[in-house]
Amino acid sequence: AQSVTQPDIHITVSEGASLELRCNYSYGATPYLFWYVQSPGQGLQLLLKYFSGDTLVQGIKGFEAEFKRSQSSFNLRKPSVHWSDAAEYFCAVGSSYNQGGKLIFGQGTELSVKP
Amino acid sequence: DVKVTQSSRYLVKRTGEKVFLECVQDMDHENMFWYRQDPGLGLRLIYFSYDVKMKEKGDIPEGYSVSREKKERFSLILESASTNQTSMYLCASRQASSAGEAFFGQGTRLTVV
Repeated sequence: AQSVTQPDIHITVSEGASLELRCNYSYGATPYLFWYVQSPGQGLQLLLKYFSGDTLVQGIKGFEAEFKRSQSSFNLRKPSVHWSDAAEYFCAVGSSYNQGGKLIFGQGTELSVKP
Repeated sequence: DVKVTQSSRYLVKRTGEKVFLECVQDMDHENMFWYRQDPGLGLRLIYFSYDVKMKEKGDIPEGYSVSREKKERFSLILESASTNQTSMYLCASRQASSAGEAFFGQGTRLTVV
C-alpha cells in the first residue's frame, strides 16, 4: 500500500536561510512523487513532480527536490527562504494508471519564516 | 487552465442531514478524488474514482459515499452528517495515464452543528 510520511509537523527558519523538508514514501513500484504548497486560505499548488529521469527536479519559486530510491525519500529544498514561503507543504505519492491512479498525501509540514 | 470547481465554499448543516458536495472538472480527467483536510492530519483520501461509475474506498470512507454518473462530475455524500465530519473537503482531478499532477478545487468548509 502507498503511504507518505512527513516527519516534521512544523519548521521555523529565518529569512534567507536554507530549507529542507523531509518526505519518505512507501510504494512497491517506481513512484510518481509530488510536492504541493498551500498558502493560508488558498488551494493547493503544485511545486514540482518526479516520475522518471534525473533524480534532482526543479520546481517553481526556486524549489528543488531530490529523489533517492535507496532511502525512499523525496526531500524538498530551497537555498534561501523568503517570508512569502510561509505556508503548508505536502508531499504526495501517486500510482500509475494500471494501478488505479491513487494519490496519497502526507500529513503536511507547516513552515514559519522569521524575519 | 484546468479548472476544478466545488459547488460551495462554506456550508453549515445540521446533525443528521444528508449533505451533497459537488465537484466538476473541465479537463476530461479520468481520476477524481475527495479528500478531507484537518489540522495535523494532512489530506486524507475518502474516495476516489478512476472512471465513470467506478469508485474505490480511500483511507477514511466511513460515513461517506460517492457518485460519478458523468466523467466531469464527482459527488461526495454524507448520508447522515455528524459533528465529527466538520472539516475542509477538497476535490481533485488527475489524468491517470501518465505522471499527471492533481488539480484541486478551492475546498468546501463544512460545519455540522
